[in-house]
Amino acid sequence: AQSVTQLDSHVSVSEGTPVLLRCNYSSSYSPSLFWYVQHPNKGLQLLLKYTSAATLVKGINGFEAEFKKSETSFHLTKPSAHMSDAAEYFCVVSDPPRNQGGKLIFGQGTELSVKP
Amino acid sequence: EAGVTQSPTHLIKTRGQQATLRCSPISGHTSVYWYQQALGLGLQFLLWYEEGEERNRGNFPPRFSGRQFPNYSSELNVNALELEDSALYLCASSRSNQPQHFGDGTRLSIL
Repeated sequence: AQSVTQLDSHVSVSEGTPVLLRCNYSSSYSPSLFWYVQHPNKGLQLLLKYTSAATLVKGINGFEAEFKKSETSFHLTKPSAHMSDAAEYFCVVSDPPRNQGGKLIFGQGTELSVKP
Repeated sequence: EAGVTQSPTHLIKTRGQQATLRCSPISGHTSVYWYQQALGLGLQFLLWYEEGEERNRGNFPPRFSGRQFPNYSSELNVNALELEDSALYLCASSRSNQPQHFGDGTRLSIL
């Protein structure tokens, strides 16, 4: 069975400082992994996706994530936080893997706060 | 390109009533997914429709049902509403083997 665990329920950073949101996955196969962001009262927006083409994945708005098989991790990073980055972030795995048409399994979410 | 659209934005019902939620996918997308985002329970997969057929179903009772129409739009029906059905219901669409794109959801409140 596929699953993801987000290690922090809440992360607070200052504007202009780096962001690190941590995610570990569990999969019997090579997984298809995603990060989505949800702003208040909005749906989910796809930030980036990993589908085994490259271990370092670049997404929108300056975010990137690195797939580390040895650590079963897929952490999301951004060099410099902006106030508009404040939102809830979800690490997601597709089930079945290698098929982005499958159902998505979500982590519990990490709320990112950005202080001025 | 218009995104995934969901209607209504908000829906207020009482226990025992029935609710119908609607979703229009992005043009060209043939798959539609429904998810429930309930307070304290996170985001959970409900249903997946592709080419008019139900492909997969999450761990929800049969009173949660839906369908996909020939134009690929979809309805989610919830019968015999219970208080714990209060949640944000999100619809997503995708082309075959492509990432899912989400609408802004329908907030269902049960009084």
